[in-house]
Amino acid sequence: RKEVEQDPGPFNVPEGATVAFNCTYSNSASQSFFWYRQDCRKEPKLLMSVYSSGNEDGRFTAQLNRASQYISLLIRDSKLSDSATYLCVVLYTGNQFYFGTGTSLTVIP
Amino acid sequence: GAVVSQHPSWVICKSGTSVKIECRSLDFQATTMFWYRQFPKQSLMLMATSNEGSKATYEQGVEKDKFLINHASLTLSTLTVTSAHPEDSSFYICSAQRDPGLAEQYFGPGTRLTVT
Repeated sequence: RKEVEQDPGPFNVPEGATVAFNCTYSNSASQSFFWYRQDCRKEPKLLMSVYSSGNEDGRFTAQLNRASQYISLLIRDSKLSDSATYLCVVLYTGNQFYFGTGTSLTVIP
Repeated sequence: GAVVSQHPSWVICKSGTSVKIECRSLDFQATTMFWYRQFPKQSLMLMATSNEGSKATYEQGVEKDKFLINHASLTLSTLTVTSAHPEDSSFYICSAQRDPGLAEQYFGPGTRLTVT
């Protein structure tokens, strides 16, 4: 079983739609959680950090469910510029980061 | 804050030569830096973890004599690909972390290496 699993998609949604991605992790001792976005041929950029039960930043909401060991990312009112690959990253003890394989999102006009 | 630079952004070299890639944290001190490589349409693959002033920790399957990592200061780490071959062609990305165990990684813009 992979340490971090994501649905690779692709998710194709119309502009203005709400879309949600889930990410599951296997180690219950995980410390911190992050969502990054990566555009094609670019580096990952930090989107949100999730240290407690959740975090909200404008149109983006991340939620953490420790009991079920998953993190979700909700994007409201999708924009064309949201098209990217979204990476779920989990930090374990010992400063070990585990990356999901990413979820591809395309927002269609 | 939390800006990481990488140089060069792209490089083309001949087979058998060595290439050095620099990774700098511009506005913070990075106790830990990470080096990744990424092939097209694949996820990031961690190559090694580098702590300032100590030897890098390499992931299984990564040759430490081929991928030399030096983390000489809290703002600079270098990756040298020695005797490069075409199969080393990839996107190399570094990241830097302020406080190990707690903080996010901030990624450099990457270096695209092509070995001919």
